[in-house]
Amino acid sequence: DTGVSQNPRHKITKRGQNVTFRCDPISEHNRLYWYRQTLGQGPEFLTYFQNEAQLEKSRLLSDRFSAERPKGSFSTLEIQRTEQGDSAMYLCASSVTGTRNTEAFFGQGTRLTVV
Amino acid sequence: DAKTTQPNSMESNEEEPVHLPCNHSTISGTDYIHWYRQLPSQGPEYVIHGLTSNVNNRMASLAIAEDRKSSTLILHRATLRDAAVYYCILPDRGNDMRFGAGTRLTVKP
Repeated sequence: DTGVSQNPRHKITKRGQNVTFRCDPISEHNRLYWYRQTLGQGPEFLTYFQNEAQLEKSRLLSDRFSAERPKGSFSTLEIQRTEQGDSAMYLCASSVTGTRNTEAFFGQGTRLTVV
Repeated sequence: DAKTTQPNSMESNEEEPVHLPCNHSTISGTDYIHWYRQLPSQGPEYVIHGLTSNVNNRMASLAIAEDRKSSTLILHRATLRDAAVYYCILPDRGNDMRFGAGTRLTVKP
């Protein structure tokens, strides 16, 4: 297993464009999480899935953001009508079950720059 | 959600032990204490976690106070590769993790 994979690693887009990121978790990990991280800050929770069900969404996840995990495997995070404030590192993580008593594995992230 | 408090930054000399503190005075009886670290330009990586007893693994040791209101991550011999931001986290009842600002550890040669 190669760990959590995120694509692309870097994305530069013009303001107003839509972007989509993909996360491939470790196989058989039921939980999948999305985080956003800006420079000098810790990762901020966005949303998480238990298999294909999206169980929680942060208030940070505005209407322009949507996440899916259609078959309980890979996940996509789409940002519509990007704004400069969306520039950040978007991190994906997966775990076998909830992270209360187990570890989560993070991907390398997708760095988004909105110009 | 139980909150954690960590110093913003710490410094250590290479090959010396490092003790990274974390306060979590509102911890509940069933909250696990997790530590993750984030090296530059990488995603966070798991370090260690525990509930009540001290824990050891190949990366570090976790010392948990008897009242569980604080804990200390111990790196026994810091190396330059240990320079990172260290996060102390208590996953909430929803089982997701909320990160604070963490402690930025600088290791001096």
